[in-house]
Amino acid sequence: DAGITQSPRHKVTETGTPVTLRCHQTENHRYMYWYRQDPGHGLRLIHYSYGVKDTDKGEVSDGYSVSRSKTEDFLLTLESATSSQTSVYFCAISESTGSVDEQFFGPGTRLTVL
Amino acid sequence: GENVEQHPSTLSVQEGDSAVIKCTYSDSASNYFPWYKQELGKRPQLIIDIRSNVGEKKDQRIAVTLNKTAKHFSLHITETQPEDSAVYFCAALGTYKYIFGTGTRLKVLA
Repeated sequence: DAGITQSPRHKVTETGTPVTLRCHQTENHRYMYWYRQDPGHGLRLIHYSYGVKDTDKGEVSDGYSVSRSKTEDFLLTLESATSSQTSVYFCAISESTGSVDEQFFGPGTRLTVL
Repeated sequence: GENVEQHPSTLSVQEGDSAVIKCTYSDSASNYFPWYKQELGKRPQLIIDIRSNVGEKKDQRIAVTLNKTAKHFSLHITETQPEDSAVYFCAALGTYKYIFGTGTRLKVLA
């Protein structure tokens, strides 16, 4: 597997609390992504980054914010968690230069909001 | 907005038979089409991909075909084995963003 780690791997929290998920890569890839995976919906893009401090929204960005202060780290924050944000969250990276577009996924974080 | 439709959502085949999963995309600017396999509790793993300048690509028992005119691409698995049982996702790469299909749960019956 590519050098991508996510922390924490599992988290249970209560409605209304802030939560931050971390994605760390050792591949020096330019692009980083956050997805959520829910039954029947596949993988849906929350936010992505195309460089340090360069981020943009995906299709399900409401209630989420991101930050990327250095190449290797991409943080996903739920400012005030809701039960609808219970999901499995995957981080992914890609280089996307020239002919290299392959995307690699992290191991995932299972988040439960009670 | 851009979307990718994937069919069927579930597919059961007998061991040794072939399986075909189909996807349709909407963004005509898409030029890269990967397929991922996800086993239960694991991360999605790339199994094969195809670029817009190629019509077909094969890797052992798996192949992918692309029809850019119709905006269709398909995954073909021949001589299926029990270890092929998993969820398969197609995706299309537009500008920076990958749009995923909703997945196909493939069951290979021994």
